Amino acid sequence: QKEVEQDPGPLSVPEGAIVSLNCTYSNSAFQYFMWYRQYSRKGPELLMYTYSSGNKEDGRFTAQVDKSSKYISLFIRDSQPSDSATYLCAMSGDGSGNTGKLIFGQGTTLQVKP
Amino acid sequence: GAVVSQHPSWVICKSGTSVKIECRSLDFQATTMFWYRQFPKQSLMLMATSNEGSKATYEQGVEKDKFLINHASLTLSTLTVTSAHPEDSSFYICSARYRRADNSPLHFGNGTRLTVT
Repeated sequence: QKEVEQDPGPLSVPEGAIVSLNCTYSNSAFQYFMWYRQYSRKGPELLMYTYSSGNKEDGRFTAQVDKSSKYISLFIRDSQPSDSATYLCAMSGDGSGNTGKLIFGQGTTLQVKP
Repeated sequence: GAVVSQHPSWVICKSGTSVKIECRSLDFQATTMFWYRQFPKQSLMLMATSNEGSKATYEQGVEKDKFLINHASLTLSTLTVTSAHPEDSSFYICSARYRRADNSPLHFGNGTRLTVT
């Protein structure tokens, strides 16, 4: 079993739709959770960074962390064609002394159709 | 803030030659940088942790003699792929932490696409 599971998609939605992206993880010790967006042939760009459980909102993006279920989500409201990219979840902080090594999900490819 | 620059963005080399990739933190100092490798439609795999002024820490299965890392200053780390072979063709991405806290998020460069012919 992978430490972080993420459906690779692809996920195709019409412009304006609400998008829900999710990851599950197995290590309950993780405390820091991130979402990155990666366009083709580019490096990942940090979108959201949260600590422990709860919600965080930034513009059209909302990140949710449910530590009891070991489940994190990223919601995109009013999706735009420019949101078409691969979205990677990442997490760290399992207390193992690994200097904050990030564990990434496989990434979900999103396509927003105009 | 937190800009990480990587150069070159793409490189083609012949089998058996060496290639050097540079990673710079432009507006902050990074005592630690990280080198990742990404195959098509796959996630990022950590190769090594680059520590300023000391030896890099390599992940299990990564050949330290093949992937030479030098972190000579607080703003520059280099990855040299020695005696490259076609199976080394991949997308190499570096990253750094803007803040010193171990669990602050990483900021990534734009990657280097290496093709070995």
